[in-house]
Amino acid sequence: DAGVTQSPTHLIKTRGQQVTLRCSPKSGHDTVSWYQQALGQGPQFIFQYYEEEERQRGNFPDRFSGHQFPNYSSELNVNALLLGDSALYLCASNLAGGPPPGELFFGEGSRLTVL
Amino acid sequence: AQSVTQPDIHITVSEGASLELRCNYSYGATPYLFWYVQSPGQGLQLLLKYFSGDTLVQGIKGFEAEFKRSQSSFNLRKPSVHWSDAAEYFCAVGASSGGYQKVTFGTGTKLQVIP
Repeated sequence: DAGVTQSPTHLIKTRGQQVTLRCSPKSGHDTVSWYQQALGQGPQFIFQYYEEEERQRGNFPDRFSGHQFPNYSSELNVNALLLGDSALYLCASNLAGGPPPGELFFGEGSRLTVL
Repeated sequence: AQSVTQPDIHITVSEGASLELRCNYSYGATPYLFWYVQSPGQGLQLLLKYFSGDTLVQGIKGFEAEFKRSQSSFNLRKPSVHWSDAAEYFCAVGASSGGYQKVTFGTGTKLQVIP
């Protein structure tokens, strides 16, 4: 049973560039959430996708956008990168309404460094 | 909006000693509560969860947590710590909004285990 997979695992960008991160949810899951984890911090909720639509959003600017595909996989896009965007980006999946509610399964993350 | 406070940033315990990690939450309704563990460079793994019923919940790796509504707490405990327990621990609260679950994390407690 494949868990949550994310790519790439590490990447380096420069300020102003754009980045796309990818996530495949755990088999059987239909909901994907993205989190940003800065060094020494807890994960911060970016947004959540279900049925190819953004359902919830945290306190992140419009530079952060996403997409969910019919196979439930998801992308996170960040435009006009800032130094402060350097972080571990975590993807989590769950089954909407499935027991237990809210239990998330996490990937190992994509480490983004912005220079 | 829900929130989680983990007052201890860093804790050091001797191997074989008991452990208690503190967590306080803020949420207007009955919360869904979780403890996750993160090893360096890894994603988050669910240790245990509370939704309802028995306020003492058992998890993996010998961990347990007790939900105390009167204190808005969900402290994590382990009777005897092993060196492999060294990691960062995150308490989280889940809440439903418009039919979708959002999970909010605390800032984490880093556990160091000394021989």
